[in-house]
Amino acid sequence: GAVVSQHPSRVICKSGTSVKIECRSLDFQATTMFWYRQFPKQSLMLMATSNEGSKATYEQGVEKDKFLINHASLTLSTLTVASAHPEDSSFYICSAHDDGAGRSGANVLTFGAGSRLTVL
Amino acid sequence: QKEVEQNSGPLSVPEGAIASLNCTYSDRGSQSFFWYRQYSGKSPELIMFIYSNGDKEDGRFTAQLNKASQYVSLLIRDSQPSDSATYLCAGLIQGAQKLVFGQGTRLTINP
Repeated sequence: GAVVSQHPSRVICKSGTSVKIECRSLDFQATTMFWYRQFPKQSLMLMATSNEGSKATYEQGVEKDKFLINHASLTLSTLTVASAHPEDSSFYICSAHDDGAGRSGANVLTFGAGSRLTVL
Repeated sequence: QKEVEQNSGPLSVPEGAIASLNCTYSDRGSQSFFWYRQYSGKSPELIMFIYSNGDKEDGRFTAQLNKASQYVSLLIRDSQPSDSATYLCAGLIQGAQKLVFGQGTRLTINP
């Protein structure tokens, strides 16, 4: 089945540091990837839609200058948290849609394992 | 109003019983719905998806969709302690091709 690799799985950094998280589709191509954030005991909140070769589409309230998304190839999207602060500490999860799966009603997304960011 | 709403629980069910999880959605244009299971500290994993009115069964799981009532449910038969997790309902926003999640229902199966 489709596999999405996310790295790093866990990162601890000092306030003011920039952190990059990678999301790779291992055995399929993904023109579109999605970045979610999940705070403890809360649901997944969509942050942005990452589009290969074009600018990401950010959800309302998400700062595009703080959460930088680059989708340079059909298998890799990166999320950079610029100048991270403690309030950015969260579980960041990416997901990808297999281009080869088509756009049927079964628009199944494959999720990465998530990256837990802790900003001290 | 949130686009997808769930009762956050917690929901406690004795082992072997049927667990019933419910979800409502506000966008009548939403066509597809997904149930994910998430263990603490882990990423969500897909259990089932449904896009036609009625029931869809897969092993111990049955998803139900009622588009007239804008209601989706997940039934888990013969509940096992390993089913204890948070269950997330998600709807596919028509045209945007993005999933919107409910807040999740925490389910505990008691041995």
